Amino acid sequence: AQRVTQPEKLLSVFKGAPVELKCNYSYSGSPELFWYVQYSRQRLQLLLRHISRESIKGFTADLNKGETSFHLKKPFAQEEDSAMYYCAVNTGGFKTIFGAGTRLFVKA
Amino acid sequence: GAGVSQSPSNKVTEKGKDVELRCDPISGHTALYWYRQSLGQGLEFLIYFQGNSAPDKSGLPSDRFSAERTGGSVSTLTIQRTQQEDSAVYLCASSLDGTGREKLFFGSGTQLSVL
Repeated sequence: AQRVTQPEKLLSVFKGAPVELKCNYSYSGSPELFWYVQYSRQRLQLLLRHISRESIKGFTADLNKGETSFHLKKPFAQEEDSAMYYCAVNTGGFKTIFGAGTRLFVKA
Repeated sequence: GAGVSQSPSNKVTEKGKDVELRCDPISGHTALYWYRQSLGQGLEFLIYFQGNSAPDKSGLPSDRFSAERTGGSVSTLTIQRTQQEDSAVYLCASSLDGTGREKLFFGSGTQLSVL
């Protein structure tokens, strides 16, 4: 079965430090991968997706098919990056599977 | 509308009661999804509607859960004989189509508390 694993429930970094939120998935094909973010008191929203090859708010994510990973990275964390981050995978059907989420806390 | 609308935003009920949660998707979006968000569990897929096709109910956790979508727009998720383990945030999302490769637009959710 498809599975998305985010090993860290909580990640705490200092402002200006690099941050990496890990995501691994179990699927042997060519999935579509997403990162969604939920800021405090806001609704869940798309941050970025693999197919767009974009950088949003300084975040990037690279697909590593060999390691089946899609880690989210930012070189210099900001306090406003503090939020809940969810990795999500879609394998071509309608069902998008989400990980358990990682809460990022950026300390001043 | 401006986005996906869900009501109520909060619902407190007693164990054994039935509850109805409502979702109004973005106009023109053919696909509608219900997810359940529990602490530490991520988002659990519940059910999916695509246009006027029969819904995929494969994610519903028990037969106490049901959902319908009237006229291809508004959806209602019903939980009968609620249990304490049903307490969670119920999120509705819609997307332009049902390929799964389009981004999902989420509502603010309904926080359900079963006492």
